[in-house]
Amino acid sequence: AQTVTQSQPEMSVQEAETVTLSCTYDTSESDYYLFWYKQPPSRQMILVIRQEAYKQQNATENRFSVNFQKAAKSFSLKISDSQLGDAAMYFCAYRILTQGGSEKLVFGKGTKLTVNP
Amino acid sequence: EAQVTQNPRYLITVTGKKLTVTCSQNMNHEYMSWYRQDPGLGLRQIYYSMNVEVTDKGDVPEGYKVSRKEKRNFPLILESPSPNQTSLYFCASSFLLGSTDTQYFGPGTRLTVL
Repeated sequence: AQTVTQSQPEMSVQEAETVTLSCTYDTSESDYYLFWYKQPPSRQMILVIRQEAYKQQNATENRFSVNFQKAAKSFSLKISDSQLGDAAMYFCAYRILTQGGSEKLVFGKGTKLTVNP
Repeated sequence: EAQVTQNPRYLITVTGKKLTVTCSQNMNHEYMSWYRQDPGLGLRQIYYSMNVEVTDKGDVPEGYKVSRKEKRNFPLILESPSPNQTSLYFCASSFLLGSTDTQYFGPGTRLTVL
């Protein structure tokens, strides 16, 4: 079964500090894409960062970066210099091309991040 | 402005009363999808569509129908809603896999079935 596991239901961090959210996944596909989405209290799903599985270099977007370990099927998100506006639910997801040519996006259950002033 | 729109944003209904949640995108995306979000379960795919007149089941399709008669629209239909369909629903769209694009999400529809 294709699954995404976020082992930390909740995390907290002090403002300006660094936090890492973990994500592991299980897929037999060799070509896929990985994402982190942020869901603030407004409920809007906002793309934070994405990583192509064929790329060895870890993706970075400003204060957000990932540690992608393909062999270990691990895709953690690091938030540096945490800000109050980073407080949200974070979802890890991957996107694969299934047999028959369709695509599928599989989500983890989420990690709720609290940022303390 | 590129966006995915959903209507209504909030809906309270009663068991068995047919309803439709509309979804529209203005980005000429081929792929559209519906998800439901429940506490502790993350997002789960209900149905998806690769293009006009092409739809297929996701992980939790029971109790739902969809149609894709136009490229921009992908309505979700609940023929006979039940309380276990109380959830937050998201529509999403993207270009097909093969591009580095990602899925764009609508603002969500909060549905309560009494």
